Amino acid sequence: QVQLQQSGAELAKPGTSVKLSCKASGYTFTSYYIYWVKQRPGQGLEWIGYIYPGNGGTYYSEKFKGKATFTADTSSSTAYMLLGSLTPEDSAYYFCARSVYGGYFDYWGQGVMVTVSS
Amino acid sequence: DVQMTQSPSYLAASPGESVSISCKASKSISNNLAWYQEKPGKANKLLIHSGSTLQSGTPSRFSGSGSGTDFTLTIRSLEFEDFAVYYCQQYNEYPPTFGAGTKLELK
Repeated sequence: QVQLQQSGAELAKPGTSVKLSCKASGYTFTSYYIYWVKQRPGQGLEWIGYIYPGNGGTYYSEKFKGKATFTADTSSSTAYMLLGSLTPEDSAYYFCARSVYGGYFDYWGQGVMVTVSS
Repeated sequence: DVQMTQSPSYLAASPGESVSISCKASKSISNNLAWYQEKPGKANKLLIHSGSTLQSGTPSRFSGSGSGTDFTLTIRSLEFEDFAVYYCQQYNEYPPTFGAGTKLELK
Protein backbone atom coordinates (compact mmCIF):
# COMPACT_ATOMS: atom_id res chain seq x y z
CA GLN A 1 0.00 0.00 0.00
CA VAL A 2 1.09 3.56 -0.65
CA GLN A 3 2.78 5.20 2.32
CA LEU A 4 4.63 8.44 2.90
CA GLN A 5 6.65 8.27 6.10
CA GLN A 6 7.96 11.54 7.43
CA SER A 7 10.86 12.12 9.79
CA GLY A 8 10.44 13.03 13.43
CA ALA A 9 9.79 16.34 15.12
CA GLU A 10 12.46 19.03 14.94
CA LEU A 11 13.52 21.69 17.40
CA ALA A 12 15.76 24.29 15.84
CA LYS A 13 17.25 27.67 16.72
CA PRO A 14 16.48 30.83 14.77
CA GLY A 15 18.80 31.32 11.82
CA THR A 16 19.56 27.62 11.40
CA SER A 17 18.20 25.05 8.94
CA VAL A 18 16.31 21.78 9.13
CA LYS A 19 16.02 19.05 6.55
CA LEU A 20 12.77 17.11 6.55
CA SER A 21 12.38 13.76 4.86
CA CYS A 22 9.46 11.95 3.27
CA LYS A 23 10.08 8.29 2.44
CA ALA A 24 7.73 6.83 -0.14
CA SER A 25 6.76 3.20 -0.50
CA GLY A 26 4.17 1.12 -2.31
CA TYR A 27 4.40 2.88 -5.67
CA THR A 28 6.85 4.01 -8.34
CA PHE A 29 8.50 7.02 -6.71
CA THR A 30 9.54 8.62 -9.98
CA SER A 31 6.04 8.64 -11.44
CA TYR A 32 4.36 11.06 -9.06
CA TYR A 33 4.92 14.53 -7.74
CA ILE A 34 5.68 15.14 -4.08
CA TYR A 35 4.13 18.30 -2.73
CA TRP A 36 4.93 20.02 0.55
CA VAL A 37 2.33 21.81 2.64
CA LYS A 38 2.64 23.98 5.75
CA GLN A 39 0.13 24.24 8.57
CA ARG A 40 0.63 26.57 11.50
CA PRO A 41 -1.18 25.52 14.68
CA GLY A 42 -4.84 26.49 14.47
CA GLN A 43 -4.46 27.73 10.92
CA GLY A 44 -5.16 26.44 7.45
CA LEU A 45 -3.05 24.58 4.94
CA GLU A 46 -0.56 26.44 2.78
CA TRP A 47 1.12 25.04 -0.30
CA ILE A 48 4.92 25.35 -0.41
CA GLY A 49 5.72 23.71 -3.73
CA TYR A 50 6.62 20.41 -5.33
CA ILE A 51 9.33 18.20 -6.70
CA TYR A 52 8.98 15.67 -9.47
CA PRO A 53 11.42 12.86 -8.63
CA GLY A 54 11.27 11.60 -12.21
CA ASN A 55 13.48 14.45 -13.38
CA GLY A 56 14.20 16.47 -10.23
CA GLY A 57 12.12 19.38 -11.44
CA THR A 58 10.90 21.73 -8.72
CA TYR A 59 8.40 24.54 -8.34
CA TYR A 60 8.03 26.86 -5.38
CA SER A 61 5.27 29.11 -4.20
CA GLU A 62 6.48 32.71 -4.40
CA LYS A 63 6.23 33.00 -0.65
CA PHE A 64 8.65 30.13 -0.08
CA LYS A 65 11.28 30.90 -2.69
CA GLY A 66 14.57 31.18 -0.85
CA LYS A 67 13.06 29.55 2.23
CA ALA A 68 12.50 25.98 1.03
CA THR A 69 14.65 23.73 -1.16
CA PHE A 70 13.41 20.37 -2.44
CA THR A 71 15.52 17.39 -3.36
CA ALA A 72 14.82 13.73 -4.00
CA ASP A 73 16.89 10.55 -3.73
CA THR A 74 15.46 8.02 -6.14
CA SER A 75 17.67 5.23 -4.77
CA SER A 76 15.87 5.42 -1.43
CA SER A 77 12.54 6.81 -2.69
CA THR A 78 12.89 9.72 -0.32
CA ALA A 79 12.02 13.35 -0.86
CA TYR A 80 13.56 16.10 1.23
CA MET A 81 12.75 19.67 2.08
CA LEU A 82 15.43 21.95 3.46
CA LEU A 83 14.07 24.93 5.37
CA GLY A 84 16.67 27.63 5.86
CA SER A 85 17.12 30.85 7.84
CA LEU A 86 14.52 29.69 10.29
CA THR A 87 12.39 32.16 12.21
CA PRO A 88 9.60 31.57 14.74
CA GLU A 89 7.13 32.02 11.85
CA ASP A 90 8.45 28.77 10.41
CA SER A 91 7.19 26.86 13.45
CA ALA A 92 4.48 24.65 11.99
CA TYR A 93 3.50 21.21 10.86
CA TYR A 94 4.89 20.26 7.47
CA PHE A 95 3.28 17.61 5.33
CA CYS A 96 4.37 15.84 2.21
CA ALA A 97 1.73 14.56 -0.17
CA ARG A 98 1.63 12.66 -3.43
CA SER A 99 -0.07 13.92 -6.56
CA VAL A 100 -0.22 13.70 -10.26
CA TYR A 101 0.70 17.03 -11.83
CA GLY A 102 -1.74 19.79 -11.10
CA GLY A 103 -4.01 17.44 -9.25
CA TYR A 104 -5.31 16.58 -5.87
CA PHE A 105 -3.25 14.92 -3.14
CA ASP A 106 -4.19 11.28 -2.90
CA TYR A 107 -1.78 10.26 -0.14
CA TRP A 108 -0.28 12.32 2.65
CA GLY A 109 2.51 11.85 5.13
CA GLN A 110 1.62 12.03 8.79
CA GLY A 111 3.24 15.43 9.15
CA VAL A 112 6.20 16.65 11.16
CA MET A 113 6.25 19.45 13.72
CA VAL A 114 9.04 21.97 13.41
CA THR A 115 9.57 24.28 16.36
CA VAL A 116 11.87 27.26 16.03
CA SER A 117 12.93 28.65 19.36
CA SER A 118 16.03 30.02 20.98
CA ASP B 1 -4.61 33.19 -5.92
CA VAL B 2 -8.03 31.53 -5.77
CA GLN B 3 -9.55 32.12 -2.35
CA MET B 4 -11.55 29.24 -0.89
CA THR B 5 -14.19 30.15 1.65
CA GLN B 6 -15.41 27.26 3.72
CA SER B 7 -18.41 27.32 6.04
CA PRO B 8 -19.28 26.73 8.74
CA SER B 9 -16.04 26.74 10.71
CA TYR B 10 -17.59 24.55 13.38
CA LEU B 11 -20.46 22.13 13.19
CA ALA B 12 -21.94 20.09 16.02
CA ALA B 13 -23.99 17.02 15.18
CA SER B 14 -25.00 13.62 16.50
CA PRO B 15 -24.45 10.17 15.04
CA GLY B 16 -27.16 9.35 12.53
CA GLU B 17 -27.66 12.95 11.46
CA SER B 18 -26.73 14.39 8.08
CA VAL B 19 -24.54 17.46 7.65
CA SER B 20 -23.37 19.65 4.80
CA ILE B 21 -20.24 21.77 4.45
CA SER B 22 -19.96 24.55 1.91
CA CYS B 23 -16.90 25.63 -0.03
CA LYS B 24 -16.95 28.69 -2.28
CA ALA B 25 -14.21 29.66 -4.70
CA SER B 26 -13.38 33.28 -5.54
CA LYS B 27 -13.47 32.40 -9.25
CA SER B 28 -14.62 29.46 -11.31
CA ILE B 29 -12.55 26.33 -10.76
CA SER B 30 -14.65 24.05 -12.97
CA ASN B 31 -14.92 20.81 -10.95
CA ASN B 32 -11.29 20.79 -9.82
CA LEU B 33 -12.07 20.49 -6.15
CA ALA B 34 -11.05 17.94 -3.55
CA TRP B 35 -12.22 17.25 -0.01
CA TYR B 36 -9.98 15.92 2.74
CA GLN B 37 -10.49 14.59 6.22
CA GLU B 38 -8.02 15.39 9.01
CA LYS B 39 -7.88 13.36 12.21
CA PRO B 40 -5.33 13.66 15.04
CA GLY B 41 -2.39 11.36 14.65
CA LYS B 42 -3.42 10.20 11.19
CA ALA B 43 -2.43 11.22 7.70
CA ASN B 44 -4.92 13.42 5.92
CA LYS B 45 -7.31 11.37 3.83
CA LEU B 46 -8.58 12.24 0.38
CA LEU B 47 -12.34 11.72 0.35
CA ILE B 48 -13.52 13.21 -2.92
CA HIS B 49 -11.90 14.65 -6.02
CA SER B 50 -13.24 16.24 -9.19
CA GLY B 51 -16.00 17.77 -7.11
CA SER B 52 -18.03 14.60 -6.74
CA THR B 53 -15.90 11.51 -7.41
CA LEU B 54 -15.44 9.35 -4.35
CA GLN B 55 -11.87 8.24 -3.80
CA SER B 56 -11.49 4.49 -3.51
CA GLY B 57 -12.28 3.48 0.06
CA THR B 58 -14.47 6.50 0.87
CA PRO B 59 -17.77 5.33 2.36
CA SER B 60 -20.84 5.97 0.25
CA ARG B 61 -22.39 8.14 2.98
CA PHE B 62 -20.02 10.87 1.75
CA SER B 63 -21.00 12.82 -1.33
CA GLY B 64 -19.77 15.91 -3.10
CA SER B 65 -21.58 18.24 -5.42
CA GLY B 66 -21.11 21.50 -7.26
CA SER B 67 -19.07 23.07 -10.00
CA GLY B 68 -17.82 26.50 -10.91
CA THR B 69 -17.62 28.37 -7.63
CA ASP B 70 -19.98 26.59 -5.24
CA PHE B 71 -19.37 23.15 -3.77
CA THR B 72 -20.85 21.06 -0.99
CA LEU B 73 -19.69 18.07 0.99
CA THR B 74 -22.55 16.08 2.50
CA ILE B 75 -22.24 13.30 5.04
CA ARG B 76 -25.37 11.22 5.57
CA SER B 77 -26.01 9.17 8.68
CA LEU B 78 -22.96 10.33 10.60
CA GLU B 79 -20.86 7.69 12.29
CA PHE B 80 -18.52 8.27 15.23
CA GLU B 81 -15.48 7.96 12.98
CA ASP B 82 -16.66 10.93 10.90
CA PHE B 83 -16.03 13.51 13.61
CA ALA B 84 -12.95 15.27 12.28
CA VAL B 85 -11.82 18.37 10.42
CA TYR B 86 -12.68 18.70 6.74
CA TYR B 87 -10.88 20.81 4.15
CA CYS B 88 -11.65 21.67 0.58
CA GLN B 89 -8.90 22.38 -1.93
CA GLN B 90 -8.91 23.72 -5.46
CA TYR B 91 -6.43 22.44 -7.99
CA ASN B 92 -7.70 24.28 -11.03
CA GLU B 93 -4.76 26.65 -11.04
CA TYR B 94 -1.50 27.29 -9.23
CA PRO B 95 -1.04 27.72 -6.40
CA PRO B 96 -3.41 25.09 -5.07
CA THR B 97 -5.36 26.65 -2.21
CA PHE B 98 -7.33 25.29 0.69
CA GLY B 99 -10.35 26.29 2.65
CA ALA B 100 -9.81 27.15 6.32
CA GLY B 101 -11.44 23.93 7.47
CA THR B 102 -14.63 22.81 9.18
CA LYS B 103 -14.42 21.07 12.51
CA LEU B 104 -17.22 18.54 12.89
CA GLU B 105 -17.81 17.94 16.56
CA LEU B 106 -19.94 15.52 18.52
CA LYS B 107 -23.04 17.20 19.94
